[in-house]
Amino acid sequence: NAGVTQTPKFQVLKTGQSMTLQCAQDMNHEYMSWYRQDPGMGLRLIHYSVGAGITDQGEVPNGYNVSRSTTEDFPLRLLSAAPSQTSVYFCASSYQLAAFGNEQFFGPGTRLTVL
Amino acid sequence: DQQVKQNSPSLSVQEGRISILNCDYTNSMFDYFLWYKKYPAEGPTFLISISSIKDKNEDGRFTVFLNKSAKHLSLHIVPSQPGDSAVYFCAASSGNTGKLIFGQGTTLQVKP
Repeated sequence: NAGVTQTPKFQVLKTGQSMTLQCAQDMNHEYMSWYRQDPGMGLRLIHYSVGAGITDQGEVPNGYNVSRSTTEDFPLRLLSAAPSQTSVYFCASSYQLAAFGNEQFFGPGTRLTVL
Repeated sequence: DQQVKQNSPSLSVQEGRISILNCDYTNSMFDYFLWYKKYPAEGPTFLISISSIKDKNEDGRFTVFLNKSAKHLSLHIVPSQPGDSAVYFCAASSGNTGKLIFGQGTTLQVKP
């Protein structure tokens, strides 16, 4: 099993550009989520999904879109990149809801810089 | 509004001694608490969790203590090893929201 994979590892964008961060998992997990990590802020939940076709907002959803057409993939779209979106982005998945104390498996992260 | 707080950004301990990482929360609806460990350039990995119906959970060298009245949890690592040097995040959730709220993280350095 590859676990949770994220592409790209690094990305530099100019303000106003759009892009999609890819996330895939091969563990047949229903629950997937996106976090961003900023210095002194910990990890903050952007969006999450409890299954194909079902998504919901997290703590910091503005400026991001998600969709979940398959169990395996959960892409994160930046609609119009802003310098405030410079961050490290992590995708995670779990078999059951993480809210019930269940382990989430994290990808290696995408480091995004917006100039 | 930081619902989960780790007030110590860093902690340094000697190998073989106990490491105690602390976490405070404000939301009394939280009913599950988790600890994650993160090495540089890697994603976080799950360490240990505890339900609000318990006050202690052990897994090898790692023990998590929960004090609901104080809204405080702590992670004890005994004995500490240099390989434990990492950033530790606590996280909390309430079962009906599906969302995990993370603290800011504490960087642990274990000196040989």
